[in-house]
Amino acid sequence: NAGVTQTPKFRILKIGQSMTLQCTQDMNHNYMYWYRQDPGMGLKLIYYSVGAGITDKGEVPNGYNVSRSTTEDFPLRLELAAPSQTSVYFCASSYRGRGGSVGQPQHFGDGTRLSIL
Amino acid sequence: TQLLEQSPQFLSIQEGENLTVYCNSSSVFSSLQWYRQEPGEGPVLLVTVVTGGEVKKLKRLTFQFGDARKDSSLHITAAQPGDTGLYLCAGGATGTASKLTFGTGTRLQVTL
Repeated sequence: NAGVTQTPKFRILKIGQSMTLQCTQDMNHNYMYWYRQDPGMGLKLIYYSVGAGITDKGEVPNGYNVSRSTTEDFPLRLELAAPSQTSVYFCASSYRGRGGSVGQPQHFGDGTRLSIL
Repeated sequence: TQLLEQSPQFLSIQEGENLTVYCNSSSVFSSLQWYRQEPGEGPVLLVTVVTGGEVKKLKRLTFQFGDARKDSSLHITAAQPGDTGLYLCAGGATGTASKLTFGTGTRLQVTL
């Protein structure tokens, strides 16, 4: 099983450019998340989705957009890249059943390392 | 905003030593997870604790959830070089779309 796959692995952007970070999962998970991890810091939630067609903001959404047209894919878009968006971006997924549950694990991709110069 | 503080931030020890990492918050969580992250990879789940006072063991790793569900600890016995990595605690709250609040991380290096 591939799990959560992120592309590209590395990217350098110029200020003002735009790009889309791709994320796809093959585990039929309904929940998906985007995080950023800055050096020496934990992960901060950018956006999340509880199912196809439903997205919501996390802790640090400014400068980003997402869409969830299918269960498998959850791309993250940067419209006008800024140096403050230099970071490592992680996509994750988890499954929550109808009855709800506590402490479901999140499965992470290997990240996209993005530098904006 | 819920915050999770981890201590220590960095830890460098020799093989065979014991260590404890702490994860503290002023907020109550319904669950607490511990992840380990290696360079160039995403975090991988080690354990989930959901009951106040719960203790779980994973080989040489012992995890405890505080009675009030505001804090947790990770104890490693006889550390090995393979334990090297970034350890992250993450708190979950009910009714939040399974969102997690991640701690600041503890970077552990175990040398021979």
